[in-house]
Amino acid sequence: NAGVTQTPKFQVLKTGQSMTLQCAQDMNHEYMSWYRQDPGMGLRLIHYSVGAGITDQGEVPNGYNVSRSTTEDFPLRLLSAAPSQTSVYFCASSYETASYYNEQFFGPGTRLTVL
Amino acid sequence: AQSVTQPDIHITVSEGASLELRCNYSYGATPYLFWYVQSPGQGLQLLLKYFSGDTLVQGIKGFEAEFKRSQSSFNLRKPSVHWSDAAEYFCAVAPNNAGNMLTFGGGTRLMVKP
Repeated sequence: NAGVTQTPKFQVLKTGQSMTLQCAQDMNHEYMSWYRQDPGMGLRLIHYSVGAGITDQGEVPNGYNVSRSTTEDFPLRLLSAAPSQTSVYFCASSYETASYYNEQFFGPGTRLTVL
Repeated sequence: AQSVTQPDIHITVSEGASLELRCNYSYGATPYLFWYVQSPGQGLQLLLKYFSGDTLVQGIKGFEAEFKRSQSSFNLRKPSVHWSDAAEYFCAVAPNNAGNMLTFGGGTRLMVKP
């Protein structure tokens, strides 16, 4: 199993450009999520999905869109990049259960710089 | 809303010395509690987790953590630090009815002196 994969590893954008960060997992996990990591603030949840066709907002959703058309993929879209979106982005996945926790597996991250 | 505080942004210890990283949380009930480690340029790896039961939890790489309800704390410990433990450590909490909804602390960066 490849686990959780993210592409690209690094990206530089100009203000106003759009792009999609890719995330894929091959563990048949229902739950997938996107976090951003900023110095001193830990990881903050952007969006999450509990299954194909179902997405919801996390703590910091503004400026980001997501969709989940398949179980495997959960792309994150920046429609008009801003310098405040300079960050490291992590995708994570786990099994989804209603009654107990399953370990979240994290991808290696995408480092995004917006000029 | 839940929150997590890691009071120490940086900690430096000598190799072979003991380690304790502090974590305090705010939540109305007993949450699920986690410690993750992030090596430079890598994603996060789960060290250990607490759901219920024994308040002293053993994890991977020789780490342990103790849940203290009265102090709302979940401190991470290791009796003897190795140079390879240098990394950033994150404490996280989740509601006990939504274990995937993690809230992270700001992290503690550990440096190990030879």
